Amino acid sequence: SQTIHQWPATLVQPVGSPLSLECTVEGTSNPNLYWYRQAAGRGLQLLFYSVGIGQISSEVPQNLSASRPQDRQFILSSKKLLLSDSGFYLCAWSGFPGVQFFGPGTRLTVL
Amino acid sequence: KQEVTQIPAALSVPEGENLVLNCSFTDSAIYNLQWFRQDPGKGLTSLLLIQSSQREQTSGRLNASLDKSSGRSTLYIAASQPGDSATYLCAVASGTSGSRLTFGEGTQLTVNP
Repeated sequence: SQTIHQWPATLVQPVGSPLSLECTVEGTSNPNLYWYRQAAGRGLQLLFYSVGIGQISSEVPQNLSASRPQDRQFILSSKKLLLSDSGFYLCAWSGFPGVQFFGPGTRLTVL
Repeated sequence: KQEVTQIPAALSVPEGENLVLNCSFTDSAIYNLQWFRQDPGKGLTSLLLIQSSQREQTSGRLNASLDKSSGRSTLYIAASQPGDSATYLCAVASGTSGSRLTFGEGTQLTVNP
C-alpha cells in the first residue's frame, strides 16, 4: 500500500533562517506531488506541484521554492523565512485522476 | 478561476442531531468533488468522493450529494456523535485529468455530548 511521510512534524524557526521540509511517498511510482499551505482556520492553498523529477510548477509568487530530486521525494525550501510563512504545510500525492492523498503535515512557526 | 465556498464556517450541535454542511463552487466544469475531514493539527482524511457524473455517495452515516448544474454539494451527517467533531473541507477537482484541487475554507463542527 502507499504511504506518504512528512518531516519534521513541527518546526519553530526565527525570521531570516532557512527552511527545508521533506515529503516522501512509498508504494507508488511517478506520482504527481503537491505542496499546500493552510493558514489558521483557512482552506488549503496550492503552492507547488510536480509531474516528474525536476519538473516544478509554482502557483503563487512567494518566498518559497520546491524541488524534486527523486521520483518520490518532494522538498519545500526557503533561503530566508518571513513571519508570513508560518502555517501548516501539507504534501499530497496523486496517481489517479482527480484524487489526492495527503500527508500528516508540518506545523511551521516563524518567530 | 474556480472558487469554493463552504457554509456555515462553524457549527455546534447536540449529540444525535442530523446536520447538513454546504459547499458551492463557481465553475461547473468539474472532474469530481471530495469531502475531507481534518482533525486539529492533522492531515486530511478523505470521506467521500463524487464523480462529476454521479449524484450522490454514501458511507455509513455520511451522505454527500452533488448538483453540478447549480454548483452545489451537501454533506449530510446522520445521528451526529462527539467523535464527528472536526473541520470538514470540500474540494473540487478540475483542470487536466482533475489534477487541480480547489478547497473551501471548511466548516468547523462541534458535537456536544
